[in-house]
Amino acid sequence: NAGVTQTPKFRILKIGQSMTLQCTQDMNHNYMYWYRQDPGMGLKLIYYSVGAGITDKGEVPNGYNVSRSTTEDFPLRLELAAPSQTSVYFCASSYPEAQDQPQHFGDGTRLSIL
Amino acid sequence: AQKITQTQPGMFVQEKEAVTLDCTYDTSDPSYGLFWYKQPSSGEMIFLIYQGSYDQQNATEGRYSLNFQKARKSANLVISASQLGDSAMYFCAMRDLQGGSEKLVFGKGTKLTVNP
Repeated sequence: NAGVTQTPKFRILKIGQSMTLQCTQDMNHNYMYWYRQDPGMGLKLIYYSVGAGITDKGEVPNGYNVSRSTTEDFPLRLELAAPSQTSVYFCASSYPEAQDQPQHFGDGTRLSIL
Repeated sequence: AQKITQTQPGMFVQEKEAVTLDCTYDTSDPSYGLFWYKQPSSGEMIFLIYQGSYDQQNATEGRYSLNFQKARKSANLVISASQLGDSAMYFCAMRDLQGGSEKLVFGKGTKLTVNP
């Protein structure tokens, strides 16, 4: 029972490099999300998707892009890495028709940009 | 806009005692949901308990209970009989249904330390 799987778990990037954080879920959830967590802070929403082909911006979308070609996958792309993007990134999914059901989180990707 | 406030950056409790972690929220929506998550030092987010705005009773889940006071807009988490493994960050979050989508708005968290 995998749930939400994120890869990689850790990554160090140089300023200006690009990379894609992978997220896949096997629960057939329509909704998927990307959050970032800065040290000592709660999670802030970057992007979210309500289904394949549909994405929208969250609270802190600048510097990121997403796509949702399938129900299972929701990759997050950093095009030009900046030190301000050093953070822990969480992917989550949910089944919103059941309002008492929580968002299920992956284990996170710890990203450092030097 | 919806907002979650957790005013306790850190809390300490003795093992086997109960502890209350505070959470207040602000919303203009009559229908909303409140969640508590635990984040241990290993980093994962673990769902603990849910309270719906129309629920008549306070939610309970094992040693976790939610002291829901709707008029005061508070949803405090109560952990009974604390264990060393309860040491972690705890986040209160609200379901934001504005704009026809579902998002979670998180507080800044409370770091709980359980002392032996």
